[in-house]
Amino acid sequence: DAKTTQPTSMDCAEGRAANLPCNHSTISGNEYVYWYRQIHSQGPQYIIHGLKNNETNEMASLIITEDRKSSTLILPHATLRDTAVYYCIVRAYTGANSKLTFGKGITLSVRP
Amino acid sequence: GAVVSQHPSWVICKSGTSVKIECRSLDFQATTMFWYRQFPKQSLMLMATSNEGSKATYEQGVEKDKFLINHASLTLSTLTVTSAHPEDSSFYICSASVTTGGFHSPLHFGNGTRLTVT
Repeated sequence: DAKTTQPTSMDCAEGRAANLPCNHSTISGNEYVYWYRQIHSQGPQYIIHGLKNNETNEMASLIITEDRKSSTLILPHATLRDTAVYYCIVRAYTGANSKLTFGKGITLSVRP
Repeated sequence: GAVVSQHPSWVICKSGTSVKIECRSLDFQATTMFWYRQFPKQSLMLMATSNEGSKATYEQGVEKDKFLINHASLTLSTLTVTSAHPEDSSFYICSASVTTGGFHSPLHFGNGTRLTVT
């Protein structure tokens, strides 16, 4: 699976949009971009994933550049409960046996 | 949505004893489950892939005789830490995906088991 690069940390104000960047310049054509987050002492929580089109769900939006070498996760209105480590993961979609390899992630701190 | 449940949430055991951790898919069947380990301030590291009805596949550096995995049914996988030592103290997390008609969902994770070996 291709490697991803994320900043170590960032913060944003409560109520504002949080834009979390991720670089994946070696991504292959069959690899998806996944985002998970982990709140302290809990298991990771799935947020969103995409291949090449932008995606939106009830939690977030995922913007993938046209060349697919980078993406941005957008939390439109961050709350204190969004404080967590966010992982950007590239994964070939090969079915139930396709494991996830976690990097260090980015620590998002939402301030009041 | 798909729910993966782990039990216990935390456990304290004495050095030399064995501890069993259960991972259940509550509302779906999982032919494959994954076991991860996370040390403080570090990321998740995959330990092994658990396959229903067959032997688990272990990642390089993970001792299969120390971390016994059993996946006897489509809804239950267990991880047994044998002869636990303080260095085995960690956060153990399992995950699984839903397979429906050839569609595979993103991996869903349990809430983890905090193991402390004294």
